[in-house]
Amino acid sequence: DAKTTQPNSMESNEEEPVHLPCNHSTISGTDYIHWYRQLPSQGPEYVIHGLTSNVNNRMASLAIAEDRKSSTLILHRATLRDAAVYYCIPQGAQKLVFGQGTRLTINP
Amino acid sequence: EAQVTQNPRYLITVTGKKLTVTCSQNMNHEYMSWYRQDPGLGLRQIYYSMNVEVTDKGDVPEGYKVSRKEKRNFPLILESPSPNQTSLYFCASAGGEKLFFGSGTQLSVL
Repeated sequence: DAKTTQPNSMESNEEEPVHLPCNHSTISGTDYIHWYRQLPSQGPEYVIHGLTSNVNNRMASLAIAEDRKSSTLILHRATLRDAAVYYCIPQGAQKLVFGQGTRLTINP
Repeated sequence: EAQVTQNPRYLITVTGKKLTVTCSQNMNHEYMSWYRQDPGLGLRQIYYSMNVEVTDKGDVPEGYKVSRKEKRNFPLILESPSPNQTSLYFCASAGGEKLFFGSGTQLSVL
């Protein structure tokens, strides 16, 4: 399994962009990079995933380094509802191993 | 609405009393999985199933059983619960590269 390194916590202000980094230097060539988030008292929720190219969806953007050893989840305009633990997981969906993630706090 | 439904949401039981946590999905997914979440340990996979009648151990299968007799249901069975199985449990199903999670079952074993 690829090892990941994420900051334990980050803080941002409402309506500002947030960049959540993740290092996954041992990722294999065929593993997708998944991001999930877990809001308080809820199950994890899919955010985005990608393989090599940058990806955008209605929730976020995913910027993947050219060597795939790191990625950044971008929330373009954070809201209070984005306060959650964000997990970066560089594996196939069916063997996802959730680490400790980054606890994101959004200040009003 | 596409969803994974777990029941019950909360359960308090005593050591040794068999219990079942149900999980159902309405997305026709072949893959289903159970996780437990404990403070400081993150989410750990208990069992998973690639399809009907196909199940396999995850990282922490001891003390648990599962069955997959039909595609939509994947119950988690604790034959003789013990206090160290007190945890928050999540069921999930996967369509392609996306996992969908249930709302969780908070289990307390006294």
